[in-house]
Amino acid sequence: GENVEQHPSTLSVQEGDSAVIKCTYSDSASNYFPWYKQELGKRPQLIIDIRSNVGEKKDQRIAVTLNKTAKHFSLHITETQPEDSAVYFCAASETGGYNKLIFGAGTRLAVHP
Amino acid sequence: SQTIHQWPATLVQPVGSPLSLECTVEGTSNPNLYWYRQAAGRGLQLLFYSVGIGQISSEVPQNLSASRPQDRQFILSSKKLLLSDSGFYLCAWKSQLAGELFFGEGSRLTVL
Repeated sequence: GENVEQHPSTLSVQEGDSAVIKCTYSDSASNYFPWYKQELGKRPQLIIDIRSNVGEKKDQRIAVTLNKTAKHFSLHITETQPEDSAVYFCAASETGGYNKLIFGAGTRLAVHP
Repeated sequence: SQTIHQWPATLVQPVGSPLSLECTVEGTSNPNLYWYRQAAGRGLQLLFYSVGIGQISSEVPQNLSASRPQDRQFILSSKKLLLSDSGFYLCAWKSQLAGELFFGEGSRLTVL
């Protein structure tokens, strides 16, 4: 089955800096790669996703890149703000049917003012 | 629009007691349903998933079980809780046609 590795486990940056979180996956059949943000005590919420037919997707300060050959994808947050502080999870799955989403272990991002 | 409800939000149970967490989805039909567990400071571990009524797949052998008695209802149960069952339990759903997963608000279980 699918296995997703995520690094780093913790990340501390100064406000305004960029943050990068990296993930690798094992199943070459996976074609859907979402990123979720979880604030303390709350449910994870989708912030951006990418499908295997594109290499990069951007939404304001957030971007995701995908390298299918190397089986890794990354989340990039630019101009970080204190409200970006949270735990971020990457995940991978096949779309459609009952294919399940397998998550990485998470990255705790702290943005210091 | 679709919504997902999960309850109870918090509970404290003694070791050896039973457990029942319930999840319902509104505004969609035939969703895929999932139970995840998040131990303190850890990632999201998939426990069970279901593609239809009475169809349950287990990802991790343990003393938990799941049932889907109705199309939009998913229940997580245990006959006898262990200390290691403590955690944040999240129900989730997704359409069979799309990849995005929507989570419920979670149930925080403390086993003492």
